[in-house]
Amino acid sequence: TQLLEQSPQFLSIQEGENLTVYCNSSSVFSSLQWYRQEPGEGPVLLVTVVTGGEVKKLKRLTFQFGDARKDSSLHITAAQPGDTGLYLCAGVFKRSNYKLTFGKGTLLTVNP
Amino acid sequence: NAGVTQTPKFRILKIGQSMTLQCTQDMNHNYMYWYRQDPGMGLKLIYYSVGAGITDKGEVPNGYNVSRSTTEDFPLRLELAAPSQTSVYFCASSYPEDSASKQFFGPGTRLTVL
Repeated sequence: TQLLEQSPQFLSIQEGENLTVYCNSSSVFSSLQWYRQEPGEGPVLLVTVVTGGEVKKLKRLTFQFGDARKDSSLHITAAQPGDTGLYLCAGVFKRSNYKLTFGKGTLLTVNP
Repeated sequence: NAGVTQTPKFRILKIGQSMTLQCTQDMNHNYMYWYRQDPGMGLKLIYYSVGAGITDKGEVPNGYNVSRSTTEDFPLRLELAAPSQTSVYFCASSYPEDSASKQFFGPGTRLTVL
């Protein structure tokens, strides 16, 4: 069983602060995705990273894929209340037939 | 496009009852998935399908059944509901062009078994 660990599990910060969320595995990912989920809704894809060392930016969100493709991070600059939600990382492992393995998620609360 | 739609949104079942969770997608995606999400546990794959007539078990298939007679529909059947099946169920679909396939999720069905 391939496991994917996310940390921290909970994060409560003030508006304007920066934060980083981590996603780690002992296995190599073919690709890794970050999703955001709001209460009562399904997850929505934010980004997909495929190449080791890859960095992608989405406005104030920066996503990084580790060189060895075993870990990833999501950094949010100047967090806003609208960033509140559950952030999920999900990895595609080799020979998994495109199945995603999800982490348990980081529940982020940004207080005004 | 409506994307992925799921019905019902909410349902309460008694132990031993049966029900079918409906899922439909209008994006002509080959791959479809059923997940369950429990508090603090992320999403667990129940069953998936790579095309009409083809289904396979995921990580937690016990107590569930699926069928895929068309590209659009992928219903999930609970035969004998148990309290352990209380959860939020998500259906998703994707068109895997490569290993970085993007999954589109429905809004979920919140099921309570009493």
